[in-house]
Amino acid sequence: GQQVMQIPQYQHVQEGEDFTTYCNSSTTLSNIQWYKQRPGGHPVFLIQLVKSGEVKKQKRLTFQFGEAKKNSSLHITATQTTDVGTYFCAGLGVTGSARQLTFGSGTQLTVLP
Amino acid sequence: DGGITQSPKYLFRKEGQNVTLSCEQNLNHDAMYWYRQDPGQGLRLIYYSQIVNDFQKGDIAEGYSVSREKKESFPLTVTSAQKNPTAFYLCASSIGLVLYGYTFGSGTRLTVV
Repeated sequence: GQQVMQIPQYQHVQEGEDFTTYCNSSTTLSNIQWYKQRPGGHPVFLIQLVKSGEVKKQKRLTFQFGEAKKNSSLHITATQTTDVGTYFCAGLGVTGSARQLTFGSGTQLTVLP
Repeated sequence: DGGITQSPKYLFRKEGQNVTLSCEQNLNHDAMYWYRQDPGQGLRLIYYSQIVNDFQKGDIAEGYSVSREKKESFPLTVTSAQKNPTAFYLCASSIGLVLYGYTFGSGTRLTVV
């Protein structure tokens, strides 16, 4: 079945440093979504990418969808302590069924003040 | 305010008992989902429902059951057949099936004692 791998599993950065998490799918994706889960909280939807090569920005966050629609990345510029949490990607297979939305295992970000 | 309410927040269950987790939404969303989250892992789909009186198995449906008698409600029953039920359970909803970001509830942490 479809697999979505996310790396790294953990990342510690000093406040002000940049951070990137990568998401790779074993199959071509229809779209990819990104979520943030604060410690002890629940996932919160950040963004969805649909087009090949798409790049979207939200303030210090930059999301990219690969040309082949099999990989994606989230880059945070100049991290802040408010960025702490686990970032998940979730890819939708081309069949379009809810069963095909597969979550990566997440990247847990720690920002040291 | 619109949102998803999950209750209870914490639940303890003795082995051999069935337990029902509540999920209610007032977002007027058609689709609802149940996910299980284990430490260090991504979200795994248990069941999902597109419309009232219809639901489909996800990847790990064994030992679980659901109902969708009302648009607003999608309760999950963890039965005694579930071999390892201790986990964090998340309910989510979306406007349509997977083409939109999910709104998650705050979760129920189930512990079998």
